[in-house]
Amino acid sequence: DTEVTQTPKHLVMGMTNKKSLKCEQHMGHRAMYWYKQKAKKPPELMFVYSYEKLSINESVPSRFSPECPNSSLLNLHLHALQPEDSALYLCASSLAGDYGGYTFGSGTRLTVV
Amino acid sequence: DQQVKQNSPSLSVQEGRISILNCDYTNSMFDYFLWYKKYPAEGPTFLISISSIKDKNEDGRFTVFLNKSAKHLSLHIVPSQPGDSAVYFCAASGGGGADGLTFGKGTHLIIQP
Repeated sequence: DTEVTQTPKHLVMGMTNKKSLKCEQHMGHRAMYWYKQKAKKPPELMFVYSYEKLSINESVPSRFSPECPNSSLLNLHLHALQPEDSALYLCASSLAGDYGGYTFGSGTRLTVV
Repeated sequence: DQQVKQNSPSLSVQEGRISILNCDYTNSMFDYFLWYKKYPAEGPTFLISISSIKDKNEDGRFTVFLNKSAKHLSLHIVPSQPGDSAVYFCAASGGGGADGLTFGKGTHLIIQP
């Protein structure tokens, strides 16, 4: 298995909703990442988990809450989002301490209404 | 302050000819560079990478060149094919891995028949 799987592929949520994005990989990667990509912009790093511990938080608002339950799973919990948070959310994984196999999922297209 | 720059928003090349995509960086701590190809609403697909200890890496039709003194890298695609039409992102990382990628703004490559 050489894939990073993200669910759901599309999500529409209201500003008062709570939802979660999920990411899964079975490549034995010990670093996992969340990126946000707006239209016609490059992906921007949000969070990095290394060995299931949060190692980087790029000053992301608290309405985004990451969670790494185990070495294969990464969640992004969403609460009280704003319309400007609408974007493509990408998960990636890699060998920690190495750049090997840096792989992206196909993303979740989030629309906040 | 953009640490990874792709100064050509778009590039048009005839099928069968060479495509050259350029990327410049400013952070001398970057020691690993990657090129990704991306279609709309999909995750980036890894193409090729290069470590700062090398000046060239080749994989099939794709070759990446790194000029450390100029802080410049380029991706050569030869021969260019219609399926190569996509947005190409240059990305960089440093510090030994698991610290996320910094992306350029991308170059939209259009292969003309």
